[in-house]
Amino acid sequence: DTGVSQDPRHKITKRGQNVTFRCDPISEHNRLYWYRQTLGQGPEFLTYFQNEAQLEKSRLLSDRFSAERPKGSFSTLEIQRTEQGDSAMYLCASSLYMSSGRTDTQYFGPGTRLTVL
Amino acid sequence: QKEVEQNSGPLSVPEGAIASLNCTYSDRGSQSFFWYRQYSGKSPELIMSIYSNGDKEDGRFTAQLNKASQYVSLLIRDSQPSDSATYLCAVNRDSNYQLIWGAGTKLIIKP
Repeated sequence: DTGVSQDPRHKITKRGQNVTFRCDPISEHNRLYWYRQTLGQGPEFLTYFQNEAQLEKSRLLSDRFSAERPKGSFSTLEIQRTEQGDSAMYLCASSLYMSSGRTDTQYFGPGTRLTVL
Repeated sequence: QKEVEQNSGPLSVPEGAIASLNCTYSDRGSQSFFWYRQYSGKSPELIMSIYSNGDKEDGRFTAQLNKASQYVSLLIRDSQPSDSATYLCAVNRDSNYQLIWGAGTKLIIKP
């Protein structure tokens, strides 16, 4: 398997519950990104890692959201106390950063669709 | 003004014709430009990247970049019904900056 994988593909939860999503990047990729996308919008940046270090987190991101990439491979995104407004597609992407200055190409996983009832 | 603007569409094009998708951006320092295709309910997939002024061709796809006018376009020749999707434009300065995404243009190819 050479692509980005995400699990689960769909998650339905009740308001107030915690949910956790997993992303496995392309194996040689050192950068991993999390995005959220709602209908009719482009992906909204949430956070990204280079290896195990979380380098940036969106200022729009609530404290209920946390992400980890403990060994620089897979990553998890947790949402605590979910709200109906959290319903969206959560996308993971990975890339190979090589310090050339040119933007590395991001490759997306299939996404996790979250529905908060 | 949005940082990356795209006409939301839908843009309807007859099968076999050329589909032209446009994207304008506000940051003059932008250096990297990407076109992604997204089918309904699926994740974005990379179509093309372009970094220099001019045209870049890949099969039926041609990306055109004009940094002076701050626009980037995607042409799809010999449009097929399978090209029906939303096309997302993404832009940034370099690897130290996040990609800025447009909201996408919905393209419909009519048989």
